[in-house]
Amino acid sequence: EPEVTQTPSHQVTQMGQEVILRCVPISNHLYFYWYRQILGQKVEFLVSFYNNEISEKSEIFDDQFSVERPDGSNFTLKIRSTKLEDSAMYFCASSVPISYEQYFGPGTRLTVT
Amino acid sequence: GENVEQHPSTLSVQEGDSAVIKCTYSDSASNYFPWYKQELGKRPQLIIDIRSNVGEKKDQRIAVTLNKTAKHFSLHITETQPEDSAVYFCAAQMNRDDKIIFGKGTRLHILP
Repeated sequence: EPEVTQTPSHQVTQMGQEVILRCVPISNHLYFYWYRQILGQKVEFLVSFYNNEISEKSEIFDDQFSVERPDGSNFTLKIRSTKLEDSAMYFCASSVPISYEQYFGPGTRLTVT
Repeated sequence: GENVEQHPSTLSVQEGDSAVIKCTYSDSASNYFPWYKQELGKRPQLIIDIRSNVGEKKDQRIAVTLNKTAKHFSLHITETQPEDSAVYFCAAQMNRDDKIIFGKGTRLHILP
């Protein structure tokens, strides 16, 4: 069964550094999402992406964040200048237009020191 | 915007007993209510969902009920087993391409 994949599984970075988290959505999916989960807390929506543009973004998704679909398969989340509070698990998800279900990737644990 | 409240935050039940987790949502336009199970360090895993035009849905030991008038929905797990121990999240979604709004989660402990 096809799955969403994410790399790396764990990223450690220093405050102020840029990070790029990568996702490969399921191949025939058209809607893409990023969520984050701070340790011990709920999953929070960051951004949705469709037809090569952002559909919706949350208050968390400020100017330090950007998303891109650089080719036909990858979907990336960039954090330009990481802060300590960006430490979290970041989940990518994808879906098809006919279904409500979003398929989650295994997540990237980002640790900012 | 939509807000999903979930309780209890922690629930301990004896193995074999039933567990009930309750949620409320704020936006009557929400149409889809998934439930996720999350084990430590893993992705949220969809275990059951219900659409707004349905009042109840069952899948083996798991059932979900929805009261659209009251904006309440609940997860029922019967004959609990040790492998049911995890964090459970309720969620709400309006349209098929919309974001999922999660509750804060319930940590379920199944006691031997």
